[in-house]
Amino acid sequence: GNSVTQMEGPVTLSEEAFLTINCTYTATGYPSLFWYVQYPGEGLQLLLKATKADDKGSNKGFEATYRKETTSFHLEKGSVQVSDSAVYFCALSGGTSYGKLTFGQGTILTVHP
Amino acid sequence: DTAVSQTPKYLVTQMGNDKSIKCEQNLGHDTMYWYKQDSKKFLKIMFSYNNKELIINETVPNRFSPKSPDKAHLNLHINSLELGDSAVYFCASSQTTAPSGANVLTFGAGSRLTVL
Repeated sequence: GNSVTQMEGPVTLSEEAFLTINCTYTATGYPSLFWYVQYPGEGLQLLLKATKADDKGSNKGFEATYRKETTSFHLEKGSVQVSDSAVYFCALSGGTSYGKLTFGQGTILTVHP
Repeated sequence: DTAVSQTPKYLVTQMGNDKSIKCEQNLGHDTMYWYKQDSKKFLKIMFSYNNKELIINETVPNRFSPKSPDKAHLNLHINSLELGDSAVYFCASSQTTAPSGANVLTFGAGSRLTVL
């Protein structure tokens, strides 16, 4: 079956530091890949997505590239802000799954001033 | 206007009780979902409905019964609540596109259920 593995958290950074959150996946076929973000007390919001190999998703300074050869979709940001503190979820969705998402375990990010 | 709204936001109840959580979306989407988030933040799908038809039913105790009176609403009823049901329940919706795996889900703010 499908599965997603994210790097263990929590991750604590200083403002303006570089962020990488690793995500690898196992899936049959050609899944779509997503990063969702959950701010404290809120629901999940789509951060970015990629639907085919070598696609790069980007939003709000965050980027992730769909790497089929390494089955990875690592999230990066060059300079984090305090407002980026949240829980980040990597997820995948199969081609005929009606949008059913399989999530990684989530990575808690805390950014200090 | 909230796109996906859930009520109640907080629910505290005793073991053995029956409770419901309601969800409504005003996005015109054709698919709705219930996800459960445990205390370690892990998210797992429970159910999904497409145009009022059940299409995903994961391994969930049959004490949980979803109901979709129309495609804008998906309610979750839970009978005989147990301690292990304590979690945050998220409703979500999406519009089916091709391929459907690329659908983007819009989530509600969550309903925190605490069973004492």
